[in-house]
Amino acid sequence: ETGVTQSPTHLIKTRGQQVTLRCSSQSGHNTVSWYQQALGQGPQFIFQYYREEENGRGNFPPRFSGLQFPNYSSELNVNALELDDSALYLCASSLSQGRTGELFFGEGSRLTVL
Amino acid sequence: AQSVTQLGSHVSVSEGALVLLRCNYSSSVPPYLFWYVQYPNQGLQLLLKYTTGATLVKGINGFEAEFKKSETSFHLTKPSAHMSDAAEYFCAVSPPGNQFYFGTGTSLTVIP
Repeated sequence: ETGVTQSPTHLIKTRGQQVTLRCSSQSGHNTVSWYQQALGQGPQFIFQYYREEENGRGNFPPRFSGLQFPNYSSELNVNALELDDSALYLCASSLSQGRTGELFFGEGSRLTVL
Repeated sequence: AQSVTQLGSHVSVSEGALVLLRCNYSSSVPPYLFWYVQYPNQGLQLLLKYTTGATLVKGINGFEAEFKKSETSFHLTKPSAHMSDAAEYFCAVSPPGNQFYFGTGTSLTVIP
């Protein structure tokens, strides 16, 4: 069974640039969620995708957007990067919109914005 | 509204001593409750979860937690700390099928 994989693991961008982070969900999982974890904080929910549609969104501005593909993999896009976007971005997959009650996390993509 | 409070951002215990990490939650509906562990430069790994049924749940690595509805608590315990338990621990609450709300984490240090 393949777990959740994320790429890239680390990246550095400058303010105003755009970034795309990628996630492959665990085998058989149809729901993907993205979380932002700032240094010293708990993860904060960005959004969830189910059947290629956004299915819930946290308190993040529209410059945070995403996609889910037919194979359930997902992308997180962030436009007009700001210094405060520096964080660990975690992807999590689950079955059936999380109704089974468990998220499986990848190891994250650490974004540094200079 | 849902929220999680983890009392104590840093906890230190001696190797072999009891580990107690505190978590209180607020939820407008019967929640699912979770404890996750995060090792440096890694993602989150599920330790245990409460959904329904028995209020004392056992997880991996000898950890357990008890759901106390009257106290809105879900404290994590382990009878005997091991050096490998040193990590960041996160409590989370989730209305079924909804987003997870995480606490700010507790960093556990184990002193040899």
